Amino acid sequence: DTAVSQTPKYLVTQMGNDKSIKCEQNLGHDTMYWYKQDSKKFLKIMFSYNNKELIINETVPNRFSPKSPDKAHLNLHINSLELGDSAVYFCASSQGVGQQQFFGPGTRLTVL
Amino acid sequence: DQQVKQNSPSLSVQEGRISILNCDYTNSMFDYFLWYKKYPAEGPTFLISISSIKDKNEDGRFTVFLNKSAKHLSLHIVPSQPGDSAVYFCAASEYGSARQLTFGSGTQLTVLP
Repeated sequence: DTAVSQTPKYLVTQMGNDKSIKCEQNLGHDTMYWYKQDSKKFLKIMFSYNNKELIINETVPNRFSPKSPDKAHLNLHINSLELGDSAVYFCASSQGVGQQQFFGPGTRLTVL
Repeated sequence: DQQVKQNSPSLSVQEGRISILNCDYTNSMFDYFLWYKKYPAEGPTFLISISSIKDKNEDGRFTVFLNKSAKHLSLHIVPSQPGDSAVYFCAASEYGSARQLTFGSGTQLTVLP
């Protein structure tokens, strides 16, 4: 029974396209996150939502827009994809800010 | 500027022996440290954590040591098992930053049978 799920698992697309990655958690958590794992393997926080409210917004291009329709979902929409957006994107959730985070399996995005 | 550094990208250890994974940090405001373990094609999973008021935390075969003066922490796995082969990420957070996690780049541990 998957706790944090992401779709799709793999995404290959052309430069300039718009794409979305979906994340759902069934843990009843109220805080969700998006991380980017770059080519150097660092996991970097992009966004965090607590009770559908944005609480962390790191220096991320405004082509990236998170959307939280409810506490169980945090989707990531990316406009005008660039080559440098190629990475693995991880969604995570926690019961409250600062609590243990549970990660999804990741979405590998490849921009051609 | 990376505030959390794992300088060894890989480590190989014989089954049954001790694995020691190291992590250094530069931000003296970090007060909570965690280790995550990651298998291929999966997300990281929480392993063990330590608060800055402690210098050691133990959970079964896993022990984390914190040396605040050196800004260094280490994860000891004893005895190492083949199933421990994974990438291990060190992470840190500070109070008041919404507790966001700053991760290192990971160390690939391979436990040889």
